[in-house]
Amino acid sequence: DIQMTQSPSTLSASVGDRVTITCRASQSISSWLAWYQQKPGQAPDLLIYKASNLESGVPSRFSGSGSGTEFTLTISSLQPDDFATYFCQQYHSYPHTFGQGTKLDIQ
Amino acid sequence: QVQLLESGPGLIKPSETLSLTCTVSGGSVSNYYWSWIRQPAGKGLEWIGRIFIRGSTNYNPSLKGRVTMSVDTSKNQFSLRLSSVTAADTAVYYCARGTSGWDVFGGQGTLVTVSS
Repeated sequence: DIQMTQSPSTLSASVGDRVTITCRASQSISSWLAWYQQKPGQAPDLLIYKASNLESGVPSRFSGSGSGTEFTLTISSLQPDDFATYFCQQYHSYPHTFGQGTKLDIQ
Repeated sequence: QVQLLESGPGLIKPSETLSLTCTVSGGSVSNYYWSWIRQPAGKGLEWIGRIFIRGSTNYNPSLKGRVTMSVDTSKNQFSLRLSSVTAADTAVYYCARGTSGWDVFGGQGTLVTVSS
C-alpha cells in the first residue's frame, strides 16, 4: 500500500494567516491526490482533486500543488470557517489511502 | 446533486456480519463508482473499497477478505457486508460517490458499534 504522511499533525493559526499543509507519499503518485476538509460530526468535503484542481464551490483561498511524492494545501487567508481537520488521499493505486490528518485550530 | 443516505444497525455483536446500505438520490446508481470509507472515533479515514455497476470491485486487503459490496439498481442502492466483526470495526461508516479516482462524500455517515 502507498503510505501518506501529513505534516504537521496539528497547526495553530489565526484568522488572516496563510497556512500550508504538506502531504508526502511513500512512492510517486503523479498528480493523483485529493484534499478534504472535515468538521466535527460531519463527513469530509472535497476541496481539491488531481493535486491542484479546485472543486466547484470551494473558495479560491484554497489551493493545491505538487506532484510525484510531495504535495501542499495552502489556505491564503484563514477564515473562521476554515478551522477543521484536513486529509489528503491518493488514488494512484488501490487501496486508496488517506493521510492521518492535520487539525487546524485557532491560535 | 447526488445525495447519499447510509442505513444499518447501530449495534452489532462480535463475530457477526455487518450489513450497511447506501440509498442514492438525485442520480442513478448505474452511473458511477461507489465507495465505502470508515473512521474510528477520533481517528483518520480508512478506505474500505469500491464497486462499479458492471460488478468490478476493489477491496482493501487489510480487511482480509471480509468485505463484500453489491449494487441494487432496482432500489438505487449499494451495500457493504463485513463479516466476522470485532471491536476494531467500530467506526462511523461513510458511503461516497467515486469518480475517476477521488471520492465525493454525500451522506452524514452511520455509527456502527461492535459490542457484546
